Amino acid sequence: GQQLNQSPQSMFIQEGEDVSMNCTSSSIFNTWLWYKQDPGEGPVLLIALYKAGELTSNGRLTAQFGITRKDSFLNISASIPSDVGIYFCAGQLEETSGSRLTFGEGTQLTVNP
Amino acid sequence: KAGVTQTPRYLIKTRGQQVTLSCSPISGHRSVSWYQQTPGQGLQFLFEYFSETQRNKGNFPGRFSGRQFSNSRSEMNVSTLELGDSALYLCASSLIENTYEQYFGPGTRLTVT
Repeated sequence: GQQLNQSPQSMFIQEGEDVSMNCTSSSIFNTWLWYKQDPGEGPVLLIALYKAGELTSNGRLTAQFGITRKDSFLNISASIPSDVGIYFCAGQLEETSGSRLTFGEGTQLTVNP
Repeated sequence: KAGVTQTPRYLIKTRGQQVTLSCSPISGHRSVSWYQQTPGQGLQFLFEYFSETQRNKGNFPGRFSGRQFSNSRSEMNVSTLELGDSALYLCASSLIENTYEQYFGPGTRLTVT
């Protein structure tokens, strides 16, 4: 079953607003990644984080690897209509090997123009 | 550089049949992972291949199998299909083994009737 708790499950915001979503776990992760998935497509990698405390930006997106290694957040600033989609956090558990990723349940983002 | 390609994009099968899905990774990528995505369970790891060898396997029954060819292309097979196997099957490639930056294809939508 899922070992990542992602919240919120859904968000309805106005264009121009900032958005924040996060993932938490009771387990320790070596890596955190954030993906966006559009309908009918596969997830697209947005940001990858490799060290506890790391803060990384990609345009209007900013993500952080929690210092406890059990959580991560993603912020989107000044949202635009094309930000609509499902955002997933994913991580590699400390206890697993290889490239196996564990995914959160996703956050459905709706942006009203 | 072309992305991950998956064929077919859509498939309808009946219970008891078997199915083979194909994945071509990004050129130069040698690791391929497969995931199953369903509304109820989210994204679940199936298996990972590197250099034609299965490196990691998720918690799926033996009806789910896969292989990787010398050109890094991969196939997954599901035998004796069940209604619950209806899902989006996603393939992801990464440059080398144990790399967590995985790039997903568009998926194959399998419907079992």
